[in-house]
Amino acid sequence: EDQVTQSPEALRLQEGESSSLNCSYTVSGLRGLFWYRQDPGKGPEFLFTLYSAGEEKEKERLKATLTKKESFLHITAPKPEDSATYLCAVQAQGGSEKLVFGKGMKLTVNP
Amino acid sequence: EAQVTQNPRYLITVTGKKLTVTCSQNMNHEYMSWYRQDPGLGLRQIYYSMNVEVTDKGDVPEGYKVSRKEKRNFPLILESPSPNQTSLYFCASSKQGPYEQYFGPGTRLTVT
Repeated sequence: EDQVTQSPEALRLQEGESSSLNCSYTVSGLRGLFWYRQDPGKGPEFLFTLYSAGEEKEKERLKATLTKKESFLHITAPKPEDSATYLCAVQAQGGSEKLVFGKGMKLTVNP
Repeated sequence: EAQVTQNPRYLITVTGKKLTVTCSQNMNHEYMSWYRQDPGLGLRQIYYSMNVEVTDKGDVPEGYKVSRKEKRNFPLILESPSPNQTSLYFCASSKQGPYEQYFGPGTRLTVT
């Protein structure tokens, strides 16, 4: 069974304090790993897609990386507006177009 | 404006009373999907549709039905809702496959 585990469940940072969020996964072959951001009361918003180990994607203060067993979302010098819940999801190989999400990680950045 | 719309946004109903939550997208996307989000369980996929001809189960399809008669619409049907279907529901769409999905604003359903 495909599984996605995100850690920590919640994280509090001071503005400017860089950190990383972890997403570990167990799938029978990875087709794609996805990061989303969700603000309170809203639907998730797409951030990145990663396909193979070693791949990296960047957007403003966010950088996503991928290894064979996990992905990291690095947040550099975060600002209060980066506060949100970050979701990781995977699609396994094998013909299915199903998506499995982790439980999410709530990030709070204090000014 | 490119968007996914869901209706209603909030719904309180009683056990056993059939209901439909509508989902519509204006981006000509092939892939559409329904999720439910529960505290402590995260986002779980109910059904997805690759195109108007192909629909398949996600991880939690029991108690739900879907219909994809036209590309832009993907309604979620609860034939006989039960309290354990109380949840926050999201519809999403993407150009092809579950890549870069656009999510709707959510429908909060309460079944008493």
